[in-house]
Amino acid sequence: DSGVTQTPKHLITATGQRVTLRCSPRSGDLSVYWYQQSLDQGLQFLIQYYNGEERAKGNILERFSAQQFPDLHSELNLSSLELGDSALYFCASSPGDSRDRPQHFGDGTRLSIL
Amino acid sequence: DAKTTQPNSMESNEEEPVHLPCNHSTISGTDYIHWYRQLPSQGPEYVIHGLTSNVNNRMASLAIAEDRKSSTLILHRATLRDAAVYYCILRDVIGGATNKLIFGTGTLLAVQP
Repeated sequence: DSGVTQTPKHLITATGQRVTLRCSPRSGDLSVYWYQQSLDQGLQFLIQYYNGEERAKGNILERFSAQQFPDLHSELNLSSLELGDSALYFCASSPGDSRDRPQHFGDGTRLSIL
Repeated sequence: DAKTTQPNSMESNEEEPVHLPCNHSTISGTDYIHWYRQLPSQGPEYVIHGLTSNVNNRMASLAIAEDRKSSTLILHRATLRDAAVYYCILRDVIGGATNKLIFGTGTLLAVQP
């Protein structure tokens, strides 16, 4: 158990809809990262938050947004969903922003767009 | 970020040691070598990391070549639970690069009973 909790585990929805994925980081971790894993693109970094502030952006679409709340949990919002958004979405956390410390991952949310 | 090269797949027998290689010929002096693995239907899991010296922890050992252009993850006694995709990742601890993990395609390790 990594200590990172993601909900829901599975989401099935239709094109054009909007969904929210939730992540609770390990106790005490200030950084939260979101990654997307699809069959054709592999694991890709989307965005990082550190103590409530956006710290870095990767290959995140404009239809996607995220935020980190004062209690440090994070939400990833995906809107105007397309078939190609079907993927596994992982959240990870780490104590700070240091690159020599590991990131700990949740078990992901599997999003299926019908 | 410097690039890593790993074999696409490897096979091992249960209870035997496994040596997973990683080449990183363009590694910089401030790049840490990190290993993660991803078991089926789970998120990536941190395994081990190091800079110059060999490292050991309860999961594995990391052997780093003297010139740091390659490294080897060593599982001392493979179990069926070790069947996973293993990722070798370089992380520069200095400079303006973001604190993201860049995953390649990794090595798919199959463990035979």
